This record gives sequence, structure tokens and C-alpha cells, in this order.
Amino acid sequence: KAGVTQTPRYLIKTRGQQVTLSCSPISGHRSVSWYQQTPGQGLQFLFEYFSETQRNKGNFPGRFSGRQFSNSRSEMNVSTLELGDSALYLCASSTGLAGAQETQYFGPGTRLLVL
Amino acid sequence: EDKVVQSPLSLVVHEGDTVTLNCSYEVTNFRSLLWYKQEKKAPTFLFMLTSSGIEKKSGRLSSILDKKELSSILNITATQTGDSAIYLCAVEGGGSNYKLTFGKGTLLTVNP
Repeated sequence: KAGVTQTPRYLIKTRGQQVTLSCSPISGHRSVSWYQQTPGQGLQFLFEYFSETQRNKGNFPGRFSGRQFSNSRSEMNVSTLELGDSALYLCASSTGLAGAQETQYFGPGTRLLVL
Repeated sequence: EDKVVQSPLSLVVHEGDTVTLNCSYEVTNFRSLLWYKQEKKAPTFLFMLTSSGIEKKSGRLSSILDKKELSSILNITATQTGDSAIYLCAVEGGGSNYKLTFGKGTLLTVNP
């Protein structure tokens, strides 16, 4: 089974621009979660999508948004980029079934640098 | 707000040593605690501990969940240079499925 894939792997943007990151989950997985990882804050939860609906949301400003498509692929968008948005963005997938005690499988991440 | 604290933040040992990494948490409606290993890329899953599975072992790695103390330890025996990585502890709770709260990790360096 192919793992979680993320594109692009690296991205350089300037302040004020917007960016869209993509995540394709493991086949059969319907839940996709997004995390931001920075040296100072560690891994922080952004949001989780299941069956095209946002099911959970972390404490990030509205500049961070996402969506999920019918094939479970997910995109994350960050508008009006700030220097502090420079980070590794990780997505993770799981079946998302209620009551299932399972782990999430992480993709390789997209490293975003905002100049 | 859910909280996960790991200690130590970093650790340097020699090959063959045994290490113990700590994770404590404060969450409402605890569901599970997970350990991940992160080298240069994505975190890779090590263990999941729940109320029905408080002890796990795989090779030289083992982990125990103490629900009374709201903590977990990850033990690595006979460490090897390949064990050098950041070890992340995450907790699923707060009434929200699939929302993991991570600690800041423990950076383990194993020297030859």
C-alpha cells in the first residue's frame, strides 16, 4: 500500500502571498489531519477532515483553511503569509471510523519558508 | 486546554546504554497515548497505549502507561546510533476524535 503523499515537498514564498498544500491519504483512509511543526512550538494540530467535512479544528487563525475532496485528498491553504508561518506542514491519515483505536500515518511533510 | 509535557528535552548517551523518556499529560476524556519516532522526515508510529493496553513492547523498545499518574515512559535498551531521533509523545483526548496533542519531543543522540 502506498503511504501518505504530500506535494510540494519544499516551497518558498514571500510575505503576503498565499499557498496551497496537498495531501493524498493512504488508500481507504477517509480522515486527514493537518499539523504545523516548528522548532519552538513542536507539532500543533491545525484541523481534521473526514468525508469532506471539517470534524475538528485547532487554535489557528482563519488564514489557515482546508478542504477535502470526495476521493479523500485534502488541501490546506494559508493566505496572507507571515514570516512565522515558516514551518514543516505534516498531514496524517487514518480510517477515521468512530471507536477505532488506531494510529495516524504521517506523510513526509511540506517545508514552507516565508521570506 | 489539553497539555503534553515530555522530559528530558534532550539526551546524549553512548551505544549500549538504556534510556527512559518521560511523557506526562493533562487531557479531558483521555482516549489513547501514542509514541512516535521522528528522524529527518515524518514521524513514524511506535506504540499506542490505551486503557485496555497499558504496556507494549517491540524489540528493544517498550512503553508503559500509568493512568493514575497521567504519564507514560518509553524505554530503549542497548541503544544504537540508529536510535538517534526525536521521540514524540501524543495524546488523543478532549472529547475530539483524531485530534492529537503533541509534546515538544525528546531529542535523543546516541554516540558510538
